[in-house]
Amino acid sequence: QKEVEQNSGPLSVPEGAIASLNCTYSDRGSQSFFWYRQYSGKSPELIMFIYSNGDKEDGRFTAQLNKASQYVSLLIRDSQPSDSATYLCAVPNTGNQFYFGTGTSLTVIP
Amino acid sequence: SAVISQKPSRDICQRGTSLTIQCQVDSQVTMMFWYRQQPGQSLTLIATANQGSEATYESGFVIDKFPISRPNLTFSTLTVSNMSPEDSSIYLCSVERSLRGAARETQYFGPGTRLLVL
Repeated sequence: QKEVEQNSGPLSVPEGAIASLNCTYSDRGSQSFFWYRQYSGKSPELIMFIYSNGDKEDGRFTAQLNKASQYVSLLIRDSQPSDSATYLCAVPNTGNQFYFGTGTSLTVIP
Repeated sequence: SAVISQKPSRDICQRGTSLTIQCQVDSQVTMMFWYRQQPGQSLTLIATANQGSEATYESGFVIDKFPISRPNLTFSTLTVSNMSPEDSSIYLCSVERSLRGAARETQYFGPGTRLLVL
């Protein structure tokens, strides 16, 4: 089992819709969870982090965490074409090593 | 956040040659990390570079193939030695920085070096 798993997509949503990106992780001791966005040809940039169960909102982005289910998600409301990118879930394990998912490719269709 | 620069931004190399990638950070950091991202794949950690000590390599990566230098707290180099087409990838350096509200430091990435080996 991989440390972090994501649906690779591609995920396509129309402009203005909600995009839902999902991630599961294997280390029950993980405490912090990060979402990175990577545009084609660019390096990953941090967009959200969460470490408490429940929801965390930042503008159009909402991160959701369920530690019991070892599940973290990212919702993007009012999706824009500029949101088209690959989204990487990152989970540091109890040994403090970062593990990255394979990423979900999102396309927002105008 | 952190300001990280990498050189070169991209290169096309011949099989059997070596390429050294430089990473410069805008302030002192204890650890610097080198990742590889192959086409369509996620990030794979190659090694962690601490100033003043040998780099720590992850499983599947060896010093002879990927020698690393860390001469000071703001700079590191990664060399890809005796290259083959399988080394074609994006190579990224990163550093950890504290993030307000986060339970731990997070990683910030340089712009990457895109390497194509023919």
